[in-house]
Order: sequence, then structure tokens, then C-alpha cells
Amino acid sequence: DIQMTQSPSTLSASVGDRVTITCRASQSISSWLAWYQQKPGKAPKLLIYKASSLESGVPSRFSGSGSGTEFTLTISSLQPDDFATYYCQQYDSFSITFGQGTRLEIK
Amino acid sequence: EVQLLESGGGLVQPGGSLRLSCAASGFTFSSYAMSWVRQAPGKGLEWVSSISGISGGRIHYADSVKGRFTISRDNSKNTLYLQMNSLRAEDTAIYYCAKDGIYDSSNFYHFDYWGQGTLVTVSS
Repeated sequence: DIQMTQSPSTLSASVGDRVTITCRASQSISSWLAWYQQKPGKAPKLLIYKASSLESGVPSRFSGSGSGTEFTLTISSLQPDDFATYYCQQYDSFSITFGQGTRLEIK
Repeated sequence: EVQLLESGGGLVQPGGSLRLSCAASGFTFSSYAMSWVRQAPGKGLEWVSSISGISGGRIHYADSVKGRFTISRDNSKNTLYLQMNSLRAEDTAIYYCAKDGIYDSSNFYHFDYWGQGTLVTVSS
């Protein structure tokens, strides 16, 4: 199975900050990567698919980049609603895998 | 509006069985692959199984559930199922059904809609 490793596991930041979360794949997954946001007690919400495509309705402060084995999710200016846990997901192989998650907390 | 509504969760003893259902509406159900994803309490997301659209002929399972769980769909009822047998304590989790983001594909992609989840607890 393809392993997905996110860093950092926890990120402390302030409203207005620019933050970046990294996701590394154990082998090349081309651009078959998605990013999700999850808040406590809620289902995950799709933010980015195919590494850099912004899902409809998602604010433009969210962006994704990368290909192959290294990917990033960037939030250009943190808003109060953005404090949540973020997961990457690869769908290059039929055995789909998620990263372990990055918890974004208020500094 | 796309809606996915899971049901069938509950408390079951180790070794027992449970069948989850996911009622879908707001889209052409048969044209999309569907999946189950679970989340153990306080843990991350774990993909469980996926089934392709139309014929449902392409099915995949995580190694952790292979041979114990069976995914299926009834396109006439717009419903996705997960039959879970030989349940173990480590299967305790919220089970989400999720809709594939690509129309009419026999492959599996990202998940653009998720249900609210149903809790399965395996304990004696």
C-alpha cells in the first residue's frame, strides 16, 4: 500500500497567518491527491482534488500544489473557521490511503 | 441537493455481524462509485471499501476487512450497503459512506460528498 505522511501533526497559528501543510507519498501518485477538512463531530469536507483543483464553494484562500510524491496545502490567510484537522488522501492505487492528519489549532 | 444517510450502526459483540445502509438522493446514484470510510474514536480516517457505479463490477477492500466485510449496492433503491461479519473490537468506529467525485467512472477518485456517519461499537 502507498503510505501517506503528513507534517506537521499539529500546527499552531493565528488568524491572518499563512500556513502550509505537507503530504508525502511513499511512491509516485502523479496528481491523484485530495485534501479534506474535518471539524469535531462532523464528516470530512472536500477542499482540493487532483492535487490543485479547488472544489466548488471552497474559499480561494485554500490552494494545493505538488505532484509525484510531495504535495502541499496552503491557506493564505487563516480565518477563525479554518481551525480544524486536515487530511490528505491518495487515489492513485485501488487501495486508497489517507494521511494521519494535521490538527490546526489557534496559537 | 446531494444527501447520504447512513443507518444500521449499533452495539455488537465480538464475532457478531451488522449491516450498514446508506440511502442516497440528489444525484444519479448508479453513475457514481461509492465507498465506505471509517474513523475510530479520536483517530484518523481509514478507507474501508469501494464499489464502482452502474454494474458495481469493480470492488476493492482494505486488507484489514478483506474476507469479513462485503460492499454492495442496489441502484434501483439508491442504496449502498456494507455487510460486516466476524466483527472485532478494532472495527469500532464511525462509518461514513462517501460519493465519488467523478461521473460514470470504473475507477475510484476523491470523495465529494460524505454522509453524517453511523457509529459501530464492537464490545462484549
